[in-house]
Amino acid sequence: NAGVTQTPKFRVLKTGQSMTLLCAQDMNHEYMYWYRQDPGMGLRLIHYSVGEGTTAKGEVPDGYNVSRLKKQNFLLGLESAAPSQTSVYFCASSSGQRNEQFFGPGTRLTVL
Amino acid sequence: AQSVSQHNHHVILSEAASLELGCNYSYGGTVNLFWYVQYPGQHLQLLLKYFSGDPLVKGIKGFEAEFIKSKFSFNLRKPSVQWSDTAEYFCAVWGGATNKLIFGTGTLLAVQP
Repeated sequence: NAGVTQTPKFRVLKTGQSMTLLCAQDMNHEYMYWYRQDPGMGLRLIHYSVGEGTTAKGEVPDGYNVSRLKKQNFLLGLESAAPSQTSVYFCASSSGQRNEQFFGPGTRLTVL
Repeated sequence: AQSVSQHNHHVILSEAASLELGCNYSYGGTVNLFWYVQYPGQHLQLLLKYFSGDPLVKGIKGFEAEFIKSKFSFNLRKPSVQWSDTAEYFCAVWGGATNKLIFGTGTLLAVQP
């Protein structure tokens, strides 16, 4: 039981490049989330999904897109990376909206 | 706007000292409360949670937290810290109109041997 996995673990991009972060969970959770973690700011919700085929905006959605084509996968895309998107990105999943969220190991992204 | 406040940004303690980390939230009504821990270089892990019932909640590794509804607080405590407790601690609250889990900004705990 791997829980929540994320790929890649590290990535360096140049301004304007695009990339996709993959999150996978094997717990059959309906809810999935993407957060970014910045020093002194805690975790901020980027986008989330309440089930396969659905997505919704979180607190800081600008510059990101997401897709949930399969229940177990939640993809986060950066169409045109900016230095302000340098951060650590965490994916999480939960069985219910109010329940405990299980986190992945994170992706450290640097945009030059 | 609904918010979660963690008063201590950085705490340094010696081993065997007692720990209390503050957490306050800004909205009333039914809430679910969580404390997560992030060890250096690792992902967030759940320490404990409160949904209802006994307001004194016991979690893993000897941690506990007390929900005081009148003070909108959910402070984390441990009677005697160890060097291995060095980590960042996040309070999180679900409730109110946002329908989302809101995290505090975190408290970095350093325990000196």
